[in-house]
Amino acid sequence: GQNIDQPTEMTATEGAIVQINCTYQTSGFNGLFWYQQHAGEAPTFLSYNVLDGLEEKGRFSSFLSRSKGYSYLLLKELQMKDSASYLCAVSDSNYQLIWGAGTKLIIKP
Amino acid sequence: IAGITQAPTSQILAAGRRMTLRCTQDMRHNAMYWYRQDLGLGLRLIHYSNTAGTTGKGEVPDGYSVSRANTDDFPLTLASAVPSQTSVYFCASSEGGDSFKEGYTFGSGTRLTVV
Repeated sequence: GQNIDQPTEMTATEGAIVQINCTYQTSGFNGLFWYQQHAGEAPTFLSYNVLDGLEEKGRFSSFLSRSKGYSYLLLKELQMKDSASYLCAVSDSNYQLIWGAGTKLIIKP
Repeated sequence: IAGITQAPTSQILAAGRRMTLRCTQDMRHNAMYWYRQDLGLGLRLIHYSNTAGTTGKGEVPDGYSVSRANTDDFPLTLASAVPSQTSVYFCASSEGGDSFKEGYTFGSGTRLTVV
């Protein structure tokens, strides 16, 4: 079967750094996505990785290891507005997205 | 503002009734998708369309139907609603093809409660 695993909830402090992990087992791999979803809102695209390594985009970075079936999203200089759910999704051999259940990130002052 | 419009925003529906959720995009994206999102579960694909005139079944298609008569519109119909279809429904679109790496654009969602 196909599955995406990520922690259900994490808590971090404003100004700190947090790493959200995602492991996956899918039939084929055509890239991994991270999305941000604030409560009651639609998911919004954050990043895409298809090659191993780190992709940096401002305060957010995403890492991929295809051999380990592993990715993480790194958020630096946390702000209160970063409180949201972070969704990991993998594009399988048919280019369909398989979604994790999301990690709810709680930022404390 | 370019994007996806979904209607209605929320709806309470009696079991057994028929309902169509509307989705319209103005980005001329080829591919469109319908997902449902339930607490504790990932987004689950109901139906998709890679281009106007074609549709396909996703992970959880039973009880739902779609049509794609043109590029912009992708309505989702519940023929006879059941309480297990209570969920938040998201419509999404993407360029499709090699541009899929740019991610999906999502509508704001329809919160449906079947009683």
